[in-house]
Amino acid sequence: GAVVSQHPSRVICKSGTSVKIECRSLDFQATTMFWYRQFPKQSLMLMATSNEGSKATYEQGVEKDKFLINHASLTLSTLTVTSAHPEDSSFYICSATDRAYSPLHFGNGTRLTVT
Amino acid sequence: AQTVTQSQPEMSVQEAETVTLSCTYDTSESDYYLFWYKQPPSRQMILVIRQEAYKQQNATENRFSVNFQKAAKSFSLKISDSQLGDAAMYFCAYRVSGNEKLTFGTGTRLTIIP
Repeated sequence: GAVVSQHPSRVICKSGTSVKIECRSLDFQATTMFWYRQFPKQSLMLMATSNEGSKATYEQGVEKDKFLINHASLTLSTLTVTSAHPEDSSFYICSATDRAYSPLHFGNGTRLTVT
Repeated sequence: AQTVTQSQPEMSVQEAETVTLSCTYDTSESDYYLFWYKQPPSRQMILVIRQEAYKQQNATENRFSVNFQKAAKSFSLKISDSQLGDAAMYFCAYRVSGNEKLTFGTGTRLTIIP
């Protein structure tokens, strides 16, 4: 089955630094990947849609300069949290699909803690 | 805008019993998909079951089945013969046909009582 790998699973960084999270589709090509954020005991909130070879589409209220998304290939999308602050601490999950009308496959998520 | 509502923040069920999780949604679209995802403590999102809106027959996957009421915009999940491994957060989700973007409900935390 389709597998999405997300790395790292956990990261702790200091306030003001940047953190990069990778999302890879291991056995399929994903023209579109999605990045979600999940606060404790809450639902997944879509942050942005990442399209290979083009600019990401951000949801309302998401700062595109803070959450940089790059989808350089059909198997890799990255989310960079720039100048991280403690309020950016959260669980970030990526997802992708191998074809239209197929269910999304999710990565294992990344727990970001900013100290 | 499409919204997905799960009115039960928490549910519990005795092991081997049956439980039903509720989900309603609001949309003006006629062609869409509905999903139930499970998120265990590992936080991995696992697809439980999906339903195409154009299909009248309710989807089933082993112990999991749905009651899809299109006119009422209701999509409940029934778990039969509940097992300890079913304990998790369950999210109802919606997607318009041709658009891969998923909208999630707020989730229901299911506890299985041994």
